[in-house]
Amino acid sequence: EPEVTQTPSHQVTQMGQEVILRCVPISNHLYFYWYRQILGQKVEFLVSFYNNEISEKSEIFDDQFSVERPDGSNFTLKIRSTKLEDSAMYFCASTQTGGDTIYFGEGSWLTVV
Amino acid sequence: AQTVTQSQPEMSVQEAETVTLSCTYDTSESDYYLFWYKQPPSRQMILVIRQEAYKQQNATENRFSVNFQKAAKSFSLKISDSQLGDAAMYFCAYKGSGAGSYQLTFGKGTKLSVIP
Repeated sequence: EPEVTQTPSHQVTQMGQEVILRCVPISNHLYFYWYRQILGQKVEFLVSFYNNEISEKSEIFDDQFSVERPDGSNFTLKIRSTKLEDSAMYFCASTQTGGDTIYFGEGSWLTVV
Repeated sequence: AQTVTQSQPEMSVQEAETVTLSCTYDTSESDYYLFWYKQPPSRQMILVIRQEAYKQQNATENRFSVNFQKAAKSFSLKISDSQLGDAAMYFCAYKGSGAGSYQLTFGKGTKLSVIP
């Protein structure tokens, strides 16, 4: 069964450093997402991406965050200058159409120290 | 804005027994999707079951079924013949169907323990 894959599975970074989280969505999917889950809290929407542009973003997704689809397969989330409160599990997800089920990757656990 | 409420932070069930997890939501839309996701200790988000609001029939996936009450805005998950592997966090989630309704809104989750 096709999967959403994410790398790295775990990254530790120093506060103020830039981080790039990578995702390979399911190949025939057209909508891509990033979600965040701070430890012990619920999953929160960050951003959705369709047709090479952001279609929706939450208030969490401020100027420190950016997304990119640099080629036909990868979808990345960049955090420019990490803060302690950015420590969380970041989930990439994708869906074939807007109304379809959203499938999640296994997550990238980011620890900012 | 849509909200999803899971009123049971924790639940437990004896192995082989049945348990029901509650979820209510608030929306002004008439058409939408509802989901239950399972998150085991590995923290992966695994789709359990999906329900389209326009369908009156409750969705079923093997031992998992839902009780969808559209008028009451209720969407509970029933797990039959509970197994040790069912122990996990369960999240209820809502997704609109209109243009631009791309995101999932999650509840806070219910931690399910399965007692051998």
